[in-house]
Amino acid sequence: AQSVSQHNHHVILSEAASLELGCNYSYGGTVNLFWYVQYPGQHLQLLLKYFSGDPLVKGIKGFEAEFIKSKFSFNLRKPSVQWSDTAEYFCAVTPYGNNRLAFGKGNQVVVIP
Amino acid sequence: SAVISQKPSRDICQRGTSLTIQCQVDSQVTMMFWYRQQPGQSLTLIATANQGSEATYESGFVIDKFPISRPNLTFSTLTVSNMSPEDSSIYLCSVARDRENEQFFGPGTRLTVL
Repeated sequence: AQSVSQHNHHVILSEAASLELGCNYSYGGTVNLFWYVQYPGQHLQLLLKYFSGDPLVKGIKGFEAEFIKSKFSFNLRKPSVQWSDTAEYFCAVTPYGNNRLAFGKGNQVVVIP
Repeated sequence: SAVISQKPSRDICQRGTSLTIQCQVDSQVTMMFWYRQQPGQSLTLIATANQGSEATYESGFVIDKFPISRPNLTFSTLTVSNMSPEDSSIYLCSVARDRENEQFFGPGTRLTVL
């Protein structure tokens, strides 16, 4: 079964700082990759996804992620965060053609105004 | 995207009782799933709800404890049976148009078992 690792569970940074959240997965085959976000008091929302093609994926709210197959990684980035980016971020992976998502433990990100 | 609702949004239950959680989608979807998020943990897939047949359970989850129904393409229920405090979690429903598409999540049901 696939597994997903996210490090630095708690991240605190100031507005305008850059954010990078690491995600590594263990699965030898083709995968679909996702980042989900959960804002305080809201339900889980899709931030971006990678199925195939350009390994640099752009999502909503200025986020992007890069798939590096050789490193089994799908790191999330945002060049300049805002207070409204305070949320929990989850990386998830599923084998190609199989919707059974495996989630990482999440990153709790707090942006200080 | 899809609009997903869950009932109840939260509940407090006594040990040994059962609770049925409902998931309703605003349009027909091929795939429906149930997840659990225990306190301080990530989401764990419980099962895939199959329309017209028995659900497909993940390792560590069994039908006697988590019976699931899916009578049509827009509705599913998850029952948490014979509850214990260890079942205190958020239970989430998710849907996908098909195997090649992303999942959308419902708001979750926060269950506390005393």
